[in-house]
Amino acid sequence: GAVVSQHPSRVICKSGTSVKIECRSLDFQATTMFWYRQFPKQSLMLMATSNEGSKATYEQGVEKDKFLINHASLTLSTLTVTSAHPEDSSFYICSASNSVHEQYFGPGTRLTVT
Amino acid sequence: GNSVTQMEGPVTLSEEAFLTINCTYTATGYPSLFWYVQYPGEGLQLLLKATKADDKGSNKGFEATYRKETTSFHLEKGSVQVSDSAVYFCALSQSGGSNYKLTFGKGTLLTVNP
Repeated sequence: GAVVSQHPSRVICKSGTSVKIECRSLDFQATTMFWYRQFPKQSLMLMATSNEGSKATYEQGVEKDKFLINHASLTLSTLTVTSAHPEDSSFYICSASNSVHEQYFGPGTRLTVT
Repeated sequence: GNSVTQMEGPVTLSEEAFLTINCTYTATGYPSLFWYVQYPGEGLQLLLKATKADDKGSNKGFEATYRKETTSFHLEKGSVQVSDSAVYFCALSQSGGSNYKLTFGKGTLLTVNP
């Protein structure tokens, strides 16, 4: 149980285009979903927290207009990287939670912007 | 604010060696503590957790004990295998408003040689 999927697993896009990444909880309802960014050989940086049906809460320094987060249902959250640039290339990981203190992580999405 | 400090790697061991990865934390109140493992190219998997002082989390031969007096949660395994090669993250969870956020250490790369 507690499986979280992400799609796509890898994406390459051209500079200036937008990319959408989906995060789904497959066998449970996620009241809260989290989006992280991980740079090579570094730890995870929390970008934002989203609760179903409400606006996401962004961490300090994360541009909300660039990283659009939608949590439309209890099983789906999306992250859209708008007008992507090479510096946005990274590993994006989502997690989903249905209880306190427990987060279940997706397998991650490798974004490369050329 | 909350913080997690774990020993910097990389750590290289021979198969069947004893493993210790140190982790200490700073937090107010009583956080929950976690160890996550990340295999190459994948997301994070929960390895073990402890939610209160003196609790011992264990899984797949790994153990860690929540020590409030030393604010530590060191990861140990008596005999490592090649398949244990991965990055290990220590983390704590504490309430941040209405959500429980995870704070991660920087990760420790473990390589086990046959």
